Amino acid sequence: AQSVTQPDIHITVSEGASLELRCNYSYGATPYLFWYVQSPGQGLQLLLKYFSGDTLVQGIKGFEAEFKRSQSSFNLRKPSVHWSDAAEYFCAVGARSNDYKLSFGAGTTVTVRA
Amino acid sequence: DADVTQTPRNRITKTGKRIMLECSQTKGHDRMYWYRQDPGLGLRLIYYSFDVKDINKGEISDGYSVSRQAQAKFSLSLESAIPNQTALYFCATSDKRAGGAETQYFGPGTRLLVL
Repeated sequence: AQSVTQPDIHITVSEGASLELRCNYSYGATPYLFWYVQSPGQGLQLLLKYFSGDTLVQGIKGFEAEFKRSQSSFNLRKPSVHWSDAAEYFCAVGARSNDYKLSFGAGTTVTVRA
Repeated sequence: DADVTQTPRNRITKTGKRIMLECSQTKGHDRMYWYRQDPGLGLRLIYYSFDVKDINKGEISDGYSVSRQAQAKFSLSLESAIPNQTALYFCATSDKRAGGAETQYFGPGTRLLVL
């Protein structure tokens, strides 16, 4: 069965500093990987996704993520955080063999301090 | 995503009451999903539907039922609500024509409190 682990429950970062959110997945074949962001009181918005090809994926709002098969990881990064990046971030994995149903991690809450 | 709407946005109900949460989409997608979100647990799949006649249980379907009234509408019912069904509920859609590279698009959520 597929599963996702986000090891960091909460991260605090200073505005302008870099941010990295960790995501580890468990799945035997090539997974489909997603990062979603949930701002307070809002639904989930897709930041980026990986299906195949280039392992470094660019997303919206200046985010990028790198798929590393050897480490079963799909970490999300942003070089310089803005106060508006304060939100909860979810990593998700899907697979063709599982009807593309998504399994979500528990989420990482990001706090941005001035 | 404004193309996926959920009603109501907030609901307070009492234990034992029947409640229905509704989801509508204008994206033309054939696949629809219901999730619940609990703090520290992420999102968990309740039910999903790949078309009007195809409805499937997710990982936590007990205590819930669904109805796919049309391609654009997917309702979630709690036949007899209990306090541990207090959660944030999300509807999502995806398009099978993406050929597997499906992105799920989420509604704004319904916050449900069962007293």
